[in-house]
Amino acid sequence: QSALTQPRSVSGSPGQSVSISCTGTTSDVGNYDYVSWYQQHPGKAPKLMIHDVNKRPSGVPDRFSGSKSGNTASLTISGLQAEDEADYYCCSYAGSDPWVFGGGTKLTVL
Amino acid sequence: QVQLQESGPGLVKPSETLSLTCTVSGGSISSYYWNWIRQPAGKGLEYIGRIYSSGSTNYNPSLKSRVTMSIDTSKNQFSLKLNSVTAADTAVYFCAREAYSSIDYWGQGTLVTVSS
Repeated sequence: QSALTQPRSVSGSPGQSVSISCTGTTSDVGNYDYVSWYQQHPGKAPKLMIHDVNKRPSGVPDRFSGSKSGNTASLTISGLQAEDEADYYCCSYAGSDPWVFGGGTKLTVL
Repeated sequence: QVQLQESGPGLVKPSETLSLTCTVSGGSISSYYWNWIRQPAGKGLEYIGRIYSSGSTNYNPSLKSRVTMSIDTSKNQFSLKLNSVTAADTAVYFCAREAYSSIDYWGQGTLVTVSS
């Protein structure tokens, strides 16, 4: 079970859009539409932002969206706000293992 | 609103067994998978494994030989045991609920330090 690959960091100015990629394999991201994204602020538990590739839980702003193509999933945050600065993790179902996380991406709002 | 709370010793000696319990409130423990995830300081999330309310388990292959999970539906609790710990097992340990296709509710996390 290898971790999914995410960029270590991304940045953007307030109001801009940023995307974070999450690359897996045909055993996880490429084989299941069970990709989720989590936001984690320092010292806090992760918060579910996207599930099932592109579904937002109640209460998550529609500025957050998800997509998937082949073995790569993406999280896009539009209209960046200061409070979006956090670490973001992707997670995919991987069958019998059964979940695998990405290494995490630090989002900096400039 | 489902809430999860981890509990257990914050300090474990090398070679001994780490034991944590997660108490679920605000909802039933039945008919869900219950997960353990850990995060070393400054690092990413590592999946440990899960247990269904029936007691069936799935573990991360890299930890499988050292992990045991159990569940007590009468107490709305599930537990993690990790044996033969080393300093590399020092981390914040989270318990979390899995609902159908994602891990949705998380506990606040508890720091476990492995040191003599």
